[in-house]
Amino acid sequence: EAQVTQNPRYLITVTGKKLTVTCSQNMNHEYMSWYRQDPGLGLRQIYYSMNVEVTDKGDVPEGYKVSRKEKRNFPLILESPSPNQTSLYFCASRLGVGGNQPQHFGDGTRLSIL
Amino acid sequence: QQQVKQSPQSLIVQKGGISIINCAYENTAFDYFPWYQQFPGKGPALLIAIRPDVSEKKEGRFTISFNKSAKQFSLHIMDSQPGDSATYFCAATINAGGTSYGKLTFGQGTILTVHP
Repeated sequence: EAQVTQNPRYLITVTGKKLTVTCSQNMNHEYMSWYRQDPGLGLRQIYYSMNVEVTDKGDVPEGYKVSRKEKRNFPLILESPSPNQTSLYFCASRLGVGGNQPQHFGDGTRLSIL
Repeated sequence: QQQVKQSPQSLIVQKGGISIINCAYENTAFDYFPWYQQFPGKGPALLIAIRPDVSEKKEGRFTISFNKSAKQFSLHIMDSQPGDSATYFCAATINAGGTSYGKLTFGQGTILTVHP
């Protein structure tokens, strides 16, 4: 089954404790991205990657890091999480850069930073 | 600034009624407008999309109306059903190249509740 898999689905942690949210897709997609969803703000892009070793900032990259060492994986790293990063996070992938291609989302990771 | 403004924030409709969600954009370079549907506990999924060279696109009970001169587009759900209860996001992107090529800009989302 074609899917984007995120882990963990839920995480409660404390300020300053480094964490990584993993994302993996099995569709051989080139383009992957991370979003955060906050009430009243919609989905905002954090980082995106056009291919292996090619990443760039989205609209809200502060406090986040990403890497793309393999085509299928695109982890999101919070090196020193803060309470304002409490949010619902989504990883997404699509075949290529073109925005007219369907974007496939994972089921989300709910992060609570205390 | 590349913004997409969506309204209303929430919408309650009776079963069988018409749900209408509106979006407005500023950047005239946007050339592809998808709508995503998100059920609780799930990620968004592509529902329907339109290009600016057509004024309307219909897929089953879902219709996008597009007004290029007003820079507005809307989603109409005919004969709304309780199973349509979800969060809906409009989005816009530039598909023709440039520095923002391929980036999806999302609206704020609309929580639709359809009462039986």
